[in-house]
Amino acid sequence: DQQVKQNSPSLSVQEGRISILNCDYTNSMFDYFLWYKKYPAEGPTFLISISSIKDKNEDGRFTVFLNKSAKHLSLHIVPSQPGDSAVYFCAATKAAGNKLTFGGGTRVLVKP
Amino acid sequence: DGGITQSPKYLFRKEGQNVTLSCEQNLNHDAMYWYRQDPGQGLRLIYYSQIVNDFQKGDIAEGYSVSREKKESFPLTVTSAQKNPTAFYLCASTGGTGPNEKLFFGSGTQLSVL
Repeated sequence: DQQVKQNSPSLSVQEGRISILNCDYTNSMFDYFLWYKKYPAEGPTFLISISSIKDKNEDGRFTVFLNKSAKHLSLHIVPSQPGDSAVYFCAATKAAGNKLTFGGGTRVLVKP
Repeated sequence: DGGITQSPKYLFRKEGQNVTLSCEQNLNHDAMYWYRQDPGQGLRLIYYSQIVNDFQKGDIAEGYSVSREKKESFPLTVTSAQKNPTAFYLCASTGGTGPNEKLFFGSGTQLSVL
C-alpha cells in the first residue's frame, strides 16, 4: 500500500514555462514533506520542504504548496530550465522521527 | 569534502552468492539508511541505524543484513535469500532524528544478477 503517490510518472515542459509536480498521501500522521531531485546514476539531493503548519514554502524558482485537507502537495518550478530535467521524489515523514516514505517519482524533461 | 561514499558503483551477483555494498560517511552523522530504488516504485527503506551498534528493519528488510560497528560505516549485505536483488541501492545519512533533518545520499550502487 503506497502511502505517498506521484501519479504522473513523467512531465514534459518548454523552457521558461511552469512545471507542476503533484503528490498525494494517505497517512494523516505525516506532517513534514520534502522534495528531492535526482539525476541518473546519482543520489537524490534535497530541494525544498514544508511543515504541515504552513501551506506554502518558497525558495527561488521552487515553491511547494500543501493542502492538508486534500492530503495533497505540489511543487512548482518557475521558470523551468533545461538543468531542471531530472526525477523528482516527494517524501513524507511524521514529526517524531525522520523515516521518510517516498513516492514513485516524476521524471521531468525541460525542452529548450 | 564531506560526503557519503558508496562502492562499488556497479556490482554483479551470481545466484546463491552473498554480496556486500559499502557505505562510508565523513559527515559525523549519527543516523544512516539503506534504500532500494526500483523503476516506478520510488525509494523503499531496507534498514536504518540511528546509533552505533544498533539498527532496525525498514519496510523491505527480508534477504538483507547490515552492521554498524563504526559511526562512519554502514555496510549492506544482499544475501542469497533475496530473490530479486537487481536494483539501484542508495545509502543515506542524517545528523539528527528530527523531521527537519535532511537526508544526504551517496551516489548509489547498481546491483545486477548474472
